[in-house]
Amino acid sequence: SQTIHQWPATLVQPVGSPLSLECTVEGTSNPNLYWYRQAAGRGLQLLFYSVGIGQISSEVPQNLSASRPQDRQFILSSKKLLLSDSGFYLCAWSEVRGNQPQHFGDGTRLSIL
Amino acid sequence: DQQVKQNSPSLSVQEGRISILNCDYTNSMFDYFLWYKKYPAEGPTFLISISSIKDKNEDGRFTVFLNKSAKHLSLHIVPSQPGDSAVYFCAASARGNTGGFKTIFGAGTRLFVKA
Repeated sequence: SQTIHQWPATLVQPVGSPLSLECTVEGTSNPNLYWYRQAAGRGLQLLFYSVGIGQISSEVPQNLSASRPQDRQFILSSKKLLLSDSGFYLCAWSEVRGNQPQHFGDGTRLSIL
Repeated sequence: DQQVKQNSPSLSVQEGRISILNCDYTNSMFDYFLWYKKYPAEGPTFLISISSIKDKNEDGRFTVFLNKSAKHLSLHIVPSQPGDSAVYFCAASARGNTGGFKTIFGAGTRLFVKA
């Protein structure tokens, strides 16, 4: 069966520090991969999605970037965090064939101080 | 621009009664619709979906209805149980510009089922 791992579960970072959140998927090949952010009291905002290695689509201009160095690895990064980057970050995957549900990791709670 | 809207931030229902969660969308390119359930500090879990070629899909206590002309979908839970208390997200999907499928989520509705 497929599993998705996302870490760390919580992270407290000072303003201006770098960020690296990692997500890996097991049990499937060539998945579509996604990064979402849920701000407090709000819905899920799609940040990035990827249909293959090295292919990244950015949905909103922001202080963050994403990379997919391997088929089942998706990384969310920032060179300098802002206070507004605080939130709950979720990684998800879906099958590449047609419209398929997304399957989410347990998320990372990021607090910027 | 909110392409997927859930106008009710919360809903309270008595155990055993029907819960109806509503969702509206604006983009006519959406052709696949989903409902997710989310508990605190966890990722959303997929609940049920419907293709735009259908108007109803049922799975146990959960039924999703789609009205394409009104760009409206709803999730019915009957009978509601206390364990159904969670945040429910409506989502709509369409093919993205670079391939793959892009899914847009609503803001969520928090359901409280009272025992």
